[in-house]
Amino acid sequence: DVKVTQSSRYLVKRTGEKVFLECVQDMDHENMFWYRQDPGLGLRLIYFSYDVKMKEKGDIPEGYSVSREKKERFSLILESASTNQTSMYLCASTLDTPGNTEAFFGQGTRLTVV
Amino acid sequence: KNQVEQSPQSLIILEGKNCTLQCNYTVSPFSNLRWYKQDTGRGPVSLTIMTFSENTKSNGRYTATLDADTKQSSLHITASQLSDSASYICVVMGNNAGNMLTFGGGTRLMVKP
Repeated sequence: DVKVTQSSRYLVKRTGEKVFLECVQDMDHENMFWYRQDPGLGLRLIYFSYDVKMKEKGDIPEGYSVSREKKERFSLILESASTNQTSMYLCASTLDTPGNTEAFFGQGTRLTVV
Repeated sequence: KNQVEQSPQSLIILEGKNCTLQCNYTVSPFSNLRWYKQDTGRGPVSLTIMTFSENTKSNGRYTATLDADTKQSSLHITASQLSDSASYICVVMGNNAGNMLTFGGGTRLMVKP
């Protein structure tokens, strides 16, 4: 069974803390994505990576960074957490072939910054 | 700009009734379109995926249609159940490097007993 696993379901952090959200996929997918999902705004792309050590900014990269040292792992980093980063974070992965390609999502991490 | 628009934003129906959700897109080049179901507080789970050449695809009580000419898709839910209460998200994948995903805003469906 295919799997995208996010390290935490729920997380509470203090303002100013450095926060790491981990995502691991076991499908040998080239592409991995980090989104945040907020009520009324839908899913918005933060960063994505199409290969190891490669990263590209999405629509809302400010306040975030990412790391992809291994193909299966894509980490989202909040350098100094702020309350406006309270959100649901979703990781996804896809194969690098067009056509009938599935995108798989993790279960989500609900982050609260207090 | 690639966009995916869904309607309605929210929908309330009685258990056992049918409903249809709409998705219009402007993503180009187009690779495929998928419908996801997302329960509250969970990640999206795939219902159907359709490529350019497919018009209709069913998954149990879910039937998706795709009109690639008008760039419209619909998701029809038959004989709704309480467990169908969720958000339904239309996602279009572009046929380009990185297989970028463009998300619709979702339709929040509530099925009442």
